[in-house]
Amino acid sequence: AQTVTQSQPEMSVQEAETVTLSCTYDTSENNYYLFWYKQPPSRQMILVIRQEAYKQQNATENRFSVNFQKAAKSFSLKISDSQLGDTAMYFCAFMKRGSNYKLTFGKGTLLTVNP
Amino acid sequence: NAGVTQTPKFQVLKTGQSMTLQCAQDMNHNSMYWYRQDPGMGLRLIYYSASEGTTDKGEVPNGYNVSRLNKREFSLRLESAAPSQTSVYFCASSEAPRDAFFGQGTRLTVV
Repeated sequence: AQTVTQSQPEMSVQEAETVTLSCTYDTSENNYYLFWYKQPPSRQMILVIRQEAYKQQNATENRFSVNFQKAAKSFSLKISDSQLGDTAMYFCAFMKRGSNYKLTFGKGTLLTVNP
Repeated sequence: NAGVTQTPKFQVLKTGQSMTLQCAQDMNHNSMYWYRQDPGMGLRLIYYSASEGTTDKGEVPNGYNVSRLNKREFSLRLESAAPSQTSVYFCASSEAPRDAFFGQGTRLTVV
């Protein structure tokens, strides 16, 4: 079974600064996908970014980028130019290829962006 | 463009009562899922349905039943609610790894 670990239960950052959220995972699989989801106070789960394990290039979506280290099984999320609207719970998630698209989530990191 | 719709959004039950959480998606996805979210635990998979007519257990299926009524609808039933089932429940649908969509969640409290 896969496990996903987010070692930072809470983090805070000043508006306009950069913050990095950590995620490690444990798997014996070689083909998989990794995701970061954002959950604001509205409770809605919003996909932030995805990474396909066979791609060496790190995924980027506007102010959000990842540092994917496959050998180290590490998948961190960097948020640049933090905005107040980035305040949310962030979940790292793992999906094994061919597993009916089931997601295994980490326990989450609560990020607070301060003005 | 509704996406994934869950009802109800909030519910309070007494121990031993039963209820069904409804979920419908309008994206023609084959796969649907029920997750529960507890503080400090992230989201955990309860049941999933890879296609119409099939259902399978996830990580925490005890105390729940599901029905894949048709391609659009996937319901979750609590036959005899227990305080340990107090949680936020999410329905999701997917067709490919790039397309996982979540409903707005149901906050269930069992007293």
